[in-house]
Amino acid sequence: GAVVSQHPSWVICKSGTSVKIECRSLDFQATTMFWYRQFPKQSLMLMATSNEGSKATYEQGVEKDKFLINHASLTLSTLTVTSAHPEDSSFYICSASQGGNTIYFGEGSWLTVV
Amino acid sequence: EDKVVQSPLSLVVHEGDTVTLNCSYEVTNFRSLLWYKQEKKAPTFLFMLTSSGIEKKSGRLSSILDKKELFSILNITATQTGDSAVYLCAVGIVNTDKLIFGTGTRLQVFP
Repeated sequence: GAVVSQHPSWVICKSGTSVKIECRSLDFQATTMFWYRQFPKQSLMLMATSNEGSKATYEQGVEKDKFLINHASLTLSTLTVTSAHPEDSSFYICSASQGGNTIYFGEGSWLTVV
Repeated sequence: EDKVVQSPLSLVVHEGDTVTLNCSYEVTNFRSLLWYKQEKKAPTFLFMLTSSGIEKKSGRLSSILDKKELFSILNITATQTGDSAVYLCAVGIVNTDKLIFGTGTRLQVFP
Protein backbone atom coordinates (compact mmCIF):
# COMPACT_ATOMS: atom_id res chain seq x y z
CA GLY A 1 0.00 0.00 0.00
CA ALA A 2 0.92 3.65 -0.15
CA VAL A 3 3.54 4.79 2.30
CA VAL A 4 4.71 8.16 3.47
CA SER A 5 8.23 8.26 4.83
CA GLN A 6 9.71 10.88 7.12
CA HIS A 7 13.35 11.45 7.87
CA PRO A 8 14.96 11.79 10.33
CA SER A 9 12.91 9.96 12.95
CA TRP A 10 14.60 11.94 15.64
CA VAL A 11 17.11 14.74 15.75
CA ILE A 12 18.89 16.71 18.44
CA CYS A 13 20.30 20.08 17.52
CA LYS A 14 21.87 23.05 19.20
CA SER A 15 19.90 26.20 19.79
CA GLY A 16 20.30 28.62 16.90
CA THR A 17 20.91 26.01 14.24
CA SER A 18 18.52 24.93 11.50
CA VAL A 19 17.04 21.49 11.02
CA LYS A 20 15.49 19.98 7.91
CA ILE A 21 12.84 17.26 7.99
CA GLU A 22 11.87 15.40 4.83
CA CYS A 23 8.53 13.89 3.94
CA ARG A 24 8.32 11.55 0.96
CA SER A 25 5.44 9.77 -0.65
CA LEU A 26 7.03 6.50 -1.70
CA ASP A 27 4.71 5.09 -4.31
CA PHE A 28 2.30 7.82 -5.21
CA GLN A 29 2.40 11.45 -6.22
CA ALA A 30 1.16 14.01 -3.74
CA THR A 31 0.43 17.50 -4.98
CA THR A 32 -0.43 18.49 -1.44
CA MET A 33 1.19 17.51 1.83
CA PHE A 34 0.47 18.75 5.32
CA TRP A 35 2.76 19.46 8.24
CA TYR A 36 1.58 19.04 11.82
CA ARG A 37 3.23 19.66 15.16
CA GLN A 38 2.40 17.82 18.35
CA PHE A 39 3.61 18.88 21.78
CA PRO A 40 3.68 16.28 24.57
CA LYS A 41 0.24 15.20 25.64
CA GLN A 42 -1.40 17.51 23.15
CA SER A 43 -3.14 16.91 19.87
CA LEU A 44 -1.82 17.40 16.37
CA MET A 45 -1.86 21.01 15.27
CA LEU A 46 -1.83 21.80 11.58
CA MET A 47 1.05 24.10 10.75
CA ALA A 48 0.86 24.48 7.01
CA THR A 49 -0.27 23.07 3.71
CA SER A 50 2.58 22.29 1.35
CA ASN A 51 1.73 22.77 -2.32
CA GLU A 52 3.91 21.33 -5.06
CA GLY A 53 5.43 24.07 -7.14
CA SER A 54 4.01 26.95 -5.15
CA LYS A 55 4.22 28.61 -1.78
CA ALA A 56 2.99 26.87 1.30
CA THR A 57 -0.14 28.04 3.05
CA TYR A 58 0.45 28.62 6.74
CA GLU A 59 -2.08 28.40 9.52
CA GLN A 60 -2.69 31.39 11.72
CA GLY A 61 0.03 31.89 14.28
CA VAL A 62 2.68 29.85 12.46
CA GLU A 63 5.73 31.86 11.45
CA LYS A 64 6.48 31.21 7.80
CA ASP A 65 10.00 32.61 8.07
CA LYS A 66 10.79 30.23 10.88
CA PHE A 67 9.21 27.11 9.44
CA LEU A 68 10.29 27.01 5.82
CA ILE A 69 8.43 24.58 3.63
CA ASN A 70 9.55 23.49 0.20
CA HIS A 71 7.61 21.13 -2.02
CA ALA A 72 9.94 20.80 -4.95
CA SER A 73 8.54 17.62 -6.45
CA LEU A 74 5.40 15.54 -6.37
CA THR A 75 6.95 13.12 -3.89
CA LEU A 76 8.94 15.34 -1.55
CA SER A 77 8.16 18.11 0.89
CA THR A 78 10.67 19.49 3.37
CA LEU A 79 10.20 21.43 6.58
CA THR A 80 13.14 23.46 7.82
CA VAL A 81 13.04 24.79 11.34
CA THR A 82 15.32 27.81 11.19
CA SER A 83 17.22 29.18 14.19
CA ALA A 84 15.70 26.51 16.37
CA HIS A 85 15.09 27.15 20.04
CA PRO A 86 14.18 24.80 22.88
CA GLU A 87 10.51 25.77 22.59
CA ASP A 88 10.54 24.34 19.05
CA SER A 89 11.20 20.90 20.49
CA SER A 90 8.24 18.84 19.43
CA PHE A 91 6.99 15.92 17.35
CA TYR A 92 6.59 16.96 13.72
CA ILE A 93 4.52 14.83 11.39
CA CYS A 94 3.52 15.10 7.77
CA SER A 95 0.63 13.67 5.82
CA ALA A 96 -0.11 13.22 2.16
CA SER A 97 -3.20 12.39 0.20
CA GLN A 98 -3.48 9.93 -2.62
CA GLY A 99 -6.71 11.57 -3.65
CA GLY A 100 -10.24 11.26 -2.43
CA ASN A 101 -10.40 10.70 1.28
CA THR A 102 -7.27 8.59 1.66
CA ILE A 103 -4.72 10.31 3.86
CA TYR A 104 -1.42 8.76 4.90
CA PHE A 105 0.78 9.93 7.75
CA GLY A 106 4.53 9.80 7.94
CA GLU A 107 6.16 8.16 10.93
CA GLY A 108 6.91 11.52 12.51
CA SER A 109 10.11 13.24 13.58
CA TRP A 110 11.09 14.03 17.15
CA LEU A 111 13.02 17.28 17.38
CA THR A 112 14.91 18.20 20.52
CA VAL A 113 16.67 21.55 20.66
CA VAL A 114 19.28 21.89 23.39
CA GLU B 1 -13.11 29.27 13.91
CA ASP B 2 -13.20 25.53 13.23
CA LYS B 3 -13.13 23.49 16.40
CA VAL B 4 -13.08 19.81 17.32
CA VAL B 5 -13.50 18.84 20.96
CA GLN B 6 -13.09 15.41 22.47
CA SER B 7 -14.18 14.08 25.82
CA PRO B 8 -13.16 12.81 28.19
CA LEU B 9 -9.55 13.97 28.06
CA SER B 10 -8.45 10.80 29.76
CA LEU B 11 -9.99 7.54 30.82
CA VAL B 12 -8.73 4.71 33.00
CA VAL B 13 -10.54 1.37 32.85
CA HIS B 14 -9.99 -2.32 33.53
CA GLU B 15 -9.74 -4.98 30.90
CA GLY B 16 -13.13 -6.11 29.75
CA ASP B 17 -14.80 -2.76 30.28
CA THR B 18 -16.63 -0.97 27.49
CA VAL B 19 -15.73 2.63 26.77
CA THR B 20 -17.34 5.40 24.75
CA LEU B 21 -15.27 8.27 23.46
CA ASN B 22 -16.93 11.46 22.30
CA CYS B 23 -16.11 13.94 19.59
CA SER B 24 -18.05 17.12 18.85
CA TYR B 25 -17.25 19.61 16.15
CA GLU B 26 -18.03 23.05 14.84
CA VAL B 27 -16.63 23.20 11.36
CA THR B 28 -17.64 25.00 8.22
CA ASN B 29 -17.56 22.94 5.05
CA PHE B 30 -17.58 19.57 6.78
CA ARG B 31 -16.55 16.67 4.57
CA SER B 32 -15.80 13.74 6.86
CA LEU B 33 -14.93 12.72 10.39
CA LEU B 34 -12.05 10.38 11.06
CA TRP B 35 -10.89 8.46 14.09
CA TYR B 36 -7.26 7.58 14.69
CA LYS B 37 -5.35 5.63 17.31
CA GLN B 38 -1.98 7.01 18.33
CA GLU B 39 0.42 4.99 20.40
CA LYS B 40 4.02 6.06 20.15
CA LYS B 41 4.39 7.61 16.76
CA ALA B 42 2.12 8.41 13.85
CA PRO B 43 -1.65 8.01 14.16
CA THR B 44 -3.12 4.89 12.66
CA PHE B 45 -6.41 5.11 10.85
CA LEU B 46 -9.51 3.55 12.40
CA PHE B 47 -12.63 4.89 10.72
CA MET B 48 -13.89 7.50 8.34
CA LEU B 49 -17.49 8.63 8.63
CA THR B 50 -19.34 10.77 6.15
CA SER B 51 -23.00 9.90 6.63
CA SER B 52 -25.20 10.18 9.70
CA GLY B 53 -26.52 7.12 11.44
CA ILE B 54 -24.44 4.50 9.69
CA GLU B 55 -22.35 2.54 12.15
CA LYS B 56 -18.90 1.47 11.10
CA LYS B 57 -17.48 -1.56 12.84
CA SER B 58 -14.11 -3.21 13.05
CA GLY B 59 -13.79 -6.00 15.58
CA ARG B 60 -14.42 -4.57 19.02
CA LEU B 61 -14.42 -1.00 17.76
CA SER B 62 -17.38 0.81 16.29
CA SER B 63 -18.22 4.38 15.48
CA ILE B 64 -21.17 6.45 14.38
CA LEU B 65 -21.72 10.02 13.24
CA ASP B 66 -24.59 12.43 13.90
CA LYS B 67 -24.33 15.32 11.47
CA LYS B 68 -27.38 17.05 12.87
CA GLU B 69 -26.02 17.22 16.39
CA LEU B 70 -22.42 17.52 15.13
CA PHE B 71 -20.83 14.70 17.06
CA SER B 72 -19.45 11.23 16.79
CA ILE B 73 -18.75 8.45 19.24
CA LEU B 74 -16.17 5.70 19.23
CA ASN B 75 -17.05 2.58 21.19
CA ILE B 76 -14.60 -0.05 22.31
CA THR B 77 -16.05 -3.18 23.86
CA ALA B 78 -14.21 -5.77 25.96
CA THR B 79 -11.19 -3.51 26.22
CA GLN B 80 -7.70 -4.98 26.30
CA THR B 81 -4.41 -3.53 27.50
CA GLY B 82 -3.39 -3.18 23.87
CA ASP B 83 -6.17 -0.63 23.42
CA SER B 84 -4.23 1.79 25.62
CA ALA B 85 -3.46 4.78 23.41
CA VAL B 86 -4.54 8.28 22.56
CA TYR B 87 -7.61 8.30 20.34
CA LEU B 88 -7.82 11.25 18.01
CA CYS B 89 -10.85 12.56 16.20
CA ALA B 90 -10.30 14.70 13.12
CA VAL B 91 -12.60 16.51 10.74
CA GLY B 92 -11.89 16.78 7.05
CA ILE B 93 -12.78 19.93 5.15
CA VAL B 94 -14.45 20.06 1.75
CA ASN B 95 -12.14 20.59 -1.23
CA THR B 96 -9.01 20.01 0.80
CA ASP B 97 -7.22 17.15 2.51
CA LYS B 98 -6.62 19.29 5.57
CA LEU B 99 -7.62 17.73 8.89
CA ILE B 100 -8.62 19.58 12.05
CA PHE B 101 -7.74 17.41 15.03
CA GLY B 102 -9.48 17.24 18.37
CA THR B 103 -7.75 17.34 21.70
CA GLY B 104 -7.55 13.55 21.93
CA THR B 105 -8.65 11.11 24.61
CA ARG B 106 -5.95 9.20 26.46
CA LEU B 107 -7.21 5.71 27.27
CA GLN B 108 -5.43 3.49 29.74
CA VAL B 109 -6.58 -0.09 30.15
CA PHE B 110 -5.25 -1.97 33.16
CA PRO B 111 -5.27 -5.74 33.56
